[in-house]
Amino acid sequence: GIQVEQSPPDLILQEGANSTLRCNFSDSVNNLQWFHQNPWGQLINLFYIPSGTKQNGRLSATTVATERYSLLYISSSQTTDSGVYFCAVERSGFGNEKLTFGTGTRLTIIP
Amino acid sequence: ETGVTQTPRHLVMGMTNKKSLKCEQHLGHNAMYWYKQSAKKPLELMFVYNFKEQTENNSVPSRFSPECPNSSHLFLHLHTLQPEDSALYLCASSQDVGARSPLHFGNGTRLTVT
Repeated sequence: GIQVEQSPPDLILQEGANSTLRCNFSDSVNNLQWFHQNPWGQLINLFYIPSGTKQNGRLSATTVATERYSLLYISSSQTTDSGVYFCAVERSGFGNEKLTFGTGTRLTIIP
Repeated sequence: ETGVTQTPRHLVMGMTNKKSLKCEQHLGHNAMYWYKQSAKKPLELMFVYNFKEQTENNSVPSRFSPECPNSSHLFLHLHTLQPEDSALYLCASSQDVGARSPLHFGNGTRLTVT
């Protein structure tokens, strides 16, 4: 199956800092989603972004499908940004049944 | 309010008990999913239902039994579980199972098997 690697595994930042999270994948994809899991376990869908760039407030994401990676940018971090960020991908030709999740980046924002 | 509601939030059960997890989505979606999240492991897809029909069973042991009576409700029936089944169980929904349908998750049920 497709391999998904996220880096860094852990990231600790001061409030107000910017961060970049990376997701590498091993095959062509037509489905890539970024999620944030808060400390209470709730998973929130941040972006559906199989290619290109999207922005939503302080968050933006870019996927370069030809080079098999995606980046999640968080600007002016707040303590509420803490949690685990997952990317999930699915190979071209398949649907959500084959969505594969990475192991996540744990982000801790210190006040 | 996430649009996907799971109950209970926490469950402690013995290995001989029978219990059920419930999931309800208010988003008008046609596909529903059960995922298992264990410590230090990626999310594992367990079951997929599309228009009430099971389309995926990811080699899940028979002590986990899903039920989807309609497109808005999904259950996971549990019996004779093992301690290693302790985990966070997450329900999700999407418009359909296609690649362009973002997943929406519930808050999860944290299960402890004693």
